[in-house]
Order: sequence, then C-alpha cells, then structure tokens
Amino acid sequence: QSVLTQPLSASGTPGQRVIISCSGSRSNIKSNYVYWYQQLPGTAPKLLIYNNDQRPSGVPDRFSGSKSGTSASLAISGLRSEDDAIYYCAVCDDNLSDWVFGGGTKLTVL
Amino acid sequence: QLHLQESGPGLVKSSETLSLTCTVSGGSISSSNYYWGWIRQPPGKGLEWIGSIYYSGTTYYSPPLKSRVTISIDTPKNQFSLKLSSVTAADTAVYYCARHAGSYWKESFDYWGQGTLVTVSS
Repeated sequence: QSVLTQPLSASGTPGQRVIISCSGSRSNIKSNYVYWYQQLPGTAPKLLIYNNDQRPSGVPDRFSGSKSGTSASLAISGLRSEDDAIYYCAVCDDNLSDWVFGGGTKLTVL
Repeated sequence: QLHLQESGPGLVKSSETLSLTCTVSGGSISSSNYYWGWIRQPPGKGLEWIGSIYYSGTTYYSPPLKSRVTISIDTPKNQFSLKLSSVTAADTAVYYCARHAGSYWKESFDYWGQGTLVTVSS
C-alpha cells in the first residue's frame, strides 16, 4: 500500500481534459513540494511537474499541477495519443524521512 | 546534455550483495549543486527510492533499506555506486540512477539513467 493514493486508471479521448489525483497527509503533501513523473512503457520516468506547479523546460503547457492541503492534482488538457502512459506523484515524507511515490495512474487515450 | 548510465551484473544470487555503478557524463558529479540518487522499480510495480549522495559523501537512505544499503561516490571517475546486501527475490527490480534537481536530497529527480534490470536468483 502506497503512502500516496492515486487512482489505478484514468482515460479520455483526444482533445479532452483529464485530472489525476494524489492524496497524502500532513507529513508529506501538506508539508513539502509535490512532483509528477510520466513513464512511457519500457522507459525511465520523466519529470513533468516540480514544486507543485512548475514545468521543466520542454514540458508542454498542456500539463499543469496544483496542490491543496493534503492533496495534489495533475491536469492534462488537449489529450494526445502520446500521453498514454503511467503517471506518478512523489513527495518527501517528514515523518518517514523518506521519499514516497504514489502507486501510479495508467492513463489510456481512447 | 547530462547522461547517466547504470552498469553492473544483471543476475545476483540470493543472500549476496548487489553492486551497481552509475557513470555520469556531460556534467561533473563533484558539483556542489546536486545530489545523486538511486531508485528502483520491481517488474510491473511502482517506484521506490533507495538513497542519495552528495559530492561530499553525505548520504541519505530510505529507512526500510538503510541497514542493507551503501552508496558511495568516486569524483575522479565521475561515478557513484550502490551496494545492497543480503538480497532476496524481493530486490528484483529495474534500478535507476538519477540526479536531484538541486543541492538538497528532497529536490526532484530531473535526469534519469535508462535503468538496469537486476534479477535475484535462488
């Protein structure tokens, strides 16, 4: 069981907007920055969002992150076939002194 | 462009020690600007942080693995390494090395190696 809770799956059609949630607690999401990673099949994770809502250079503005209290969200607008991937949220947990990752959400673009 | 490459045996026997090295190119591992880390992913499962190291040798380890993990750094070779002792089948995973985005171990991982599968056999 992951410390961070994500839905197992999400789906949408091209052009739609999808939101993936990540639920945590006071010792992790509320207290620290949240990060989001995209993992395509057979590849290493790629940093998508850092510091809750910042995009690294090269990440399209279709991807956006937000945080409120003990939860965080990743929104993907204008869904494209290449967004078909697994998305992980990640944060440091102050109580555990550990990095914790969500279990991952498999996004299917129909 | 920064590049990280993991290397080491793909097969380790149960109860022995897993050893991997990450070679960094396109940047200096002795920069005071970054931490360097190891993350693993069992087949079909999620990500697990193992530990991270600074150029000075300061380390942070995941508490559940701390008793079995040693991460070291070799600045002349621009490499850092992972040793995980007393392995079991539960340690079978793809092992990634990665760079933290800053000089704090709580910064995000912004550059990743391609990963290397290590299988623990009985």
